[in-house]
Amino acid sequence: EAGVVQSPRYKIIEKKQPVAFWCNPISGHNTLYWYRQNLGQGPELLIRYENEEAVDDSQLPKDRFSAERLKGVDSTLKIQPAELGDSAVYLCASSPGAGNRTEAFFGQGTRLTVV
Amino acid sequence: AQSVTQLGSHVSVSEGALVLLRCNYSSSVPPYLFWYVQYPNQGLQLLLKYTSAATLVKGINGFEAEFKKSETSFHLTKPSAHMSDAAEYFCAVSRFGNEKLTFGTGTRLTIIP
Repeated sequence: EAGVVQSPRYKIIEKKQPVAFWCNPISGHNTLYWYRQNLGQGPELLIRYENEEAVDDSQLPKDRFSAERLKGVDSTLKIQPAELGDSAVYLCASSPGAGNRTEAFFGQGTRLTVV
Repeated sequence: AQSVTQLGSHVSVSEGALVLLRCNYSSSVPPYLFWYVQYPNQGLQLLLKYTSAATLVKGINGFEAEFKKSETSFHLTKPSAHMSDAAEYFCAVSRFGNEKLTFGTGTRLTIIP
């Protein structure tokens, strides 16, 4: 079974430029998460989707970050414009959905460097 | 609100020695607890999880953890360390299985040959 697929793996951009990350969750998983992991820290949730609905986006900096999950399958996270402090690893995860006693499965992440 | 505290950002053990990584949690409801491992430039891989069944949980690669409600702890152990165990370990808590995970700051485990 294929795992969570993220692309690109690495991205280097100049500040004020836009950037987008893509995630394809495990087939059949209704719940999709985007986490941000700063250097030396644990991941922190940015947004959680149940199918195509964003059910928790309280930690998403909405002035520059946006996300979408059209058709409730793959998802895109965008930053525009990027700032130096956005340098981090962006992790996507998925799980089967509400009512399931199971864990989230993580992708390998996208390492963003803003220069 | 839920939180996790991992005691010791760096732990070093000799190959073959006991591994003990500490995790204490805070939760207003019965928690779901997880240990994840992260190898360099990789995502997170689940080691084990506690979901209110048995308090002693066995995971992959010989790791296990014991849920102790009275101590609000969920420490990770392995009887005999192997070189391949060198990685970053994260403890995490959630209210329900698919709700957001709240992670600790991680413990970097180094294995001394």
